[in-house]
Amino acid sequence: GQQVQQSPASLVLQEGENAELQCNFSTSLNSMQWFYQRPEGSLVSLFYNPSGTKQSGRLTSTTVIKERRSSLHISSSQITDSGTYLCAMFRNNNNRIFFGDGTQLVVKP
Amino acid sequence: EAGVTQSPRYAVLQEGQAVSFWCDPISGHDTLYWYQQPRDQGPQLLVYFRDEAVIDNSQLPSDRFSAVRPKGTNSTLKIQSAKQGDTATYLCASSFGDSNERLFFGHGTKLSVL
Repeated sequence: GQQVQQSPASLVLQEGENAELQCNFSTSLNSMQWFYQRPEGSLVSLFYNPSGTKQSGRLTSTTVIKERRSSLHISSSQITDSGTYLCAMFRNNNNRIFFGDGTQLVVKP
Repeated sequence: EAGVTQSPRYAVLQEGQAVSFWCDPISGHDTLYWYQQPRDQGPQLLVYFRDEAVIDNSQLPSDRFSAVRPKGTNSTLKIQSAKQGDTATYLCASSFGDSNERLFFGHGTKLSVL
C-alpha cells in the first residue's frame, strides 16, 4: 500500500490565494523532504524538514514526526508556483526513501 | 558546486530496443539512487548504491534492468529490451551519509517506448 499519502491530488488557485498541501505517512519515519517538480520534470528541494516549522519566503513547512504528517503552506500564490509538489519520507532503518504521488498545482491569473 | 548530472535528457525507443542512462552524482556523495517516475505518479525507487555496492535492488526488474556503479562515483542504468510500460522519467539522486541526509536530484531522462 501507499506509504505516503498526499492531498489534495490537484488544486487550482487564483493568483494571490493561499494553499495548504498535506502529506501523511503510514509508518514511522526519521525525516522528510518537500520537492517542487517543474513542468519539464526536474526536482527542486524546497525543505529538508525532520521536525518543526521552517519558512522560506512565501513557503512554510511544518512537520510533526509523532503524528506522521507534514504540511506545506504557500502564501500569496503566483503563476510561477504552478507545478507538482512532492513529499518524500525517510525511513528509520535504511536509506529507502518513499514518495507520495504529488499535488498538481495550477495558479491562474 | 555542480549538481547531479544525467544524460541523455530524452530517449525514444521501439519496443525491444536497449537504452542506457548515465548519472554523475554530486562530488563526495556516497549514496546514489535511481528512481522511475511514471506519468502522474511519484518517483519509485529502482535501486540504490552506497559507494560501489548495491544496497537495495529489490524493485529493479532484474530480467531487463541492470545498474552499476563500478568506482563508486558515476552510475549507469540499462534497460535491455524496453517495453511500453517502461515509459517514464528516470531520475538519479545522490546524498551523503546515512538515511537522514537530504536528497539532490538530476534533471531526469524522459523515456518513451513506442
